[in-house]
Amino acid sequence: DQQVKQNSPSLSVQEGRISILNCDYTNSMFDYFLWYKKYPAEGPTFLISISSIKDKNEDGRFTVFLNKSAKHLSLHIVPSQPGDSAVYFCAAMGMNRDDKIIFGKGTRLHILP
Amino acid sequence: GAVVSQHPSWVICKSGTSVKIECRSLDFQATTMFWYRQFPKQSLMLMATSNEGSKATYEQGVEKDKFLINHASLTLSTLTVTSAHPEDSSFYICSAPGLAGVGSSYEQYFGPGTRLTVT
Repeated sequence: DQQVKQNSPSLSVQEGRISILNCDYTNSMFDYFLWYKKYPAEGPTFLISISSIKDKNEDGRFTVFLNKSAKHLSLHIVPSQPGDSAVYFCAAMGMNRDDKIIFGKGTRLHILP
Repeated sequence: GAVVSQHPSWVICKSGTSVKIECRSLDFQATTMFWYRQFPKQSLMLMATSNEGSKATYEQGVEKDKFLINHASLTLSTLTVTSAHPEDSSFYICSAPGLAGVGSSYEQYFGPGTRLTVT
């Protein structure tokens, strides 16, 4: 059973527009949520995170929104740039530092010129 | 920021041989490290949790006798793929938890990954 779901395997967005990547989770014990960006043949790189006590966290062009009641989070990238083309993984974990991290299947974002 | 390295970055081996992959935390200590496997177009699958000073914890379905994990020190974990077969060909990634920011802002630092090709 998938605990972290990214239902859109791919997404195409025009350069300069807003990219919105969605993620749903099922485990109410998840306390901390993260987004990672991954280029082919490289390890994932951390983008942005949000604790369950918040509903929004912003870092430059990246904003993550968390709706705990709906068990839904989203990553907004604005404005989208060509270098944003990558696979984005949504991830969740419990409250302890050594908790294992559960990943979604990823969404491949294509930024169109 | 914190850096995790992996060695080698790419390895090709013959079927039946064993391959060792190293994961090092370069500027921080990690009592726990995680090993993942990624298949094409699929998510990162957690294989096992490597614990310094004790046995690794394997996820369901992962053969512990095939994927040997040794957490030799606070900065080094190794994954040995024993008697490798072509179906073991994959991209293997390790990570270590770090502390970022204040409060519960924990994040994982990932290695660059190791591509294993078994012929």
